[in-house]
Amino acid sequence: GAGVSQTPSNKVTEKGKYVELRCDPISGHTALYWYRQSLGQGPEFLIYFQGTGAADDSGLPNDRFFAVRPEGSVSTLKIQRTERGDSAVYLCASSRTTGGEQYFGPGTRLTVT
Amino acid sequence: AQTVTQSQPEMSVQEAETVTLSCTYDTSENNYYLFWYKQPPSRQMILVIRQEAYKQQNATENRFSVNFQKAAKSFSLKISDSQLGDTAMYFCAFMKHGNNNDMRFGAGTRLTVKP
Repeated sequence: GAGVSQTPSNKVTEKGKYVELRCDPISGHTALYWYRQSLGQGPEFLIYFQGTGAADDSGLPNDRFFAVRPEGSVSTLKIQRTERGDSAVYLCASSRTTGGEQYFGPGTRLTVT
Repeated sequence: AQTVTQSQPEMSVQEAETVTLSCTYDTSENNYYLFWYKQPPSRQMILVIRQEAYKQQNATENRFSVNFQKAAKSFSLKISDSQLGDTAMYFCAFMKHGNNNDMRFGAGTRLTVKP
């Protein structure tokens, strides 16, 4: 089937604005992960969902970041009052079960001007 | 906390030659997984190879193999018969076994395969 998809591919926003980034996992995958990859760095864990619930949100940098997965499939990462330091590639991954191989999407490049 | 260190920011290799990318990690866990991911300019992270810590045998996938030294906490990737399509960023990653399944990545090594 199709792989993990993420929309938009690129997003440019002004400082202080609100953005939503969407992730469509592979069908049937119960686990979903968000990572942030800053320029020249490896991905950094943000949050992990098992089904509809956030099993681990310890990587979210502050309360401006929030993610949901209301029906256990599509997830949305929401960033309020964006700052220039939020500029990065946001990667989503899914796995069939917790601890299984993670399949990554192509990411959303967020640029905050 | 687990940390993953890749000490080679950039590497290059001639086509058809062999190259080894280094990775060390720090953990107090006994059960865990180690991974090498490839990230071409398309940004898509692609799993290259995976190693379970409880397995002494080094994982192999076609031209890719690892040298896993658990006591030394070392996990290097060897690419044999390098191909132009191997040009990419390579990330080493660590994941604890159990319910906490976030992966910890190194900073990456940019590999260039030269014709």
